[in-house]
Amino acid sequence: TQLLEQSPQFLSIQEGENLTVYCNSSSVFSSLQWYRQEPGEGPVLLVTVVTGGEVKKLKRLTFQFGDARKDSSLHITAAQPGDTGLYLCAGAGDNAGNMLTFGGGTRLMVKP
Amino acid sequence: GAVVSQHPSRVICKSGTSVKIECRSLDFQATTMFWYRQFPKQSLMLMATSNEGSKATYEQGVEKDKFLINHASLTLSTLTVTSAHPEDSSFYICSARDRGLLPQHFGDGTRLSIL
Repeated sequence: TQLLEQSPQFLSIQEGENLTVYCNSSSVFSSLQWYRQEPGEGPVLLVTVVTGGEVKKLKRLTFQFGDARKDSSLHITAAQPGDTGLYLCAGAGDNAGNMLTFGGGTRLMVKP
Repeated sequence: GAVVSQHPSRVICKSGTSVKIECRSLDFQATTMFWYRQFPKQSLMLMATSNEGSKATYEQGVEKDKFLINHASLTLSTLTVTSAHPEDSSFYICSARDRGLLPQHFGDGTRLSIL
């Protein structure tokens, strides 16, 4: 069974601050997705990283996939209240089913 | 982009009622759909994998007779919570993959409340 540990679980910061969310595993993933979920809604895909060492930027969000494809991070620069939400990482295994293993989620609150 | 529609968005019903939730892929064919359950302030927990034209694969601890899944076409999967009880109250979310490829696209979820 693949496990994905996500940290921190909760994060409350002031507008303008930077933050990093981590996802770590002892297993290798073929790809890793980051989602953002707001209350009462389904997760919305932010990015997919596939290659070890890959870095992707989405405006103020920077995603990194570890060289060994076992870990990933999400860095937000100058957080804004609109960034508030639940951030989920999800790794896809090498199995044919490509099922996702979800991290426990990081609940982010950005105060104005 | 790919869109997954889930209906209804919210259900409130009495204990003992069976509730059907629909998950549709609107602009792509989904041979595989997934059903998740999410408790408040927690991550998603995979319940079952729905395969078009064949039986669903359930995760350990998920009752097959309680959560009936039907994937009769390439664009529709349904989850029926049979004889629902208050402990079945939760947020249920489906997802689908375009032609079996990643990433998974999620519906907006169904908030089920059993009184």
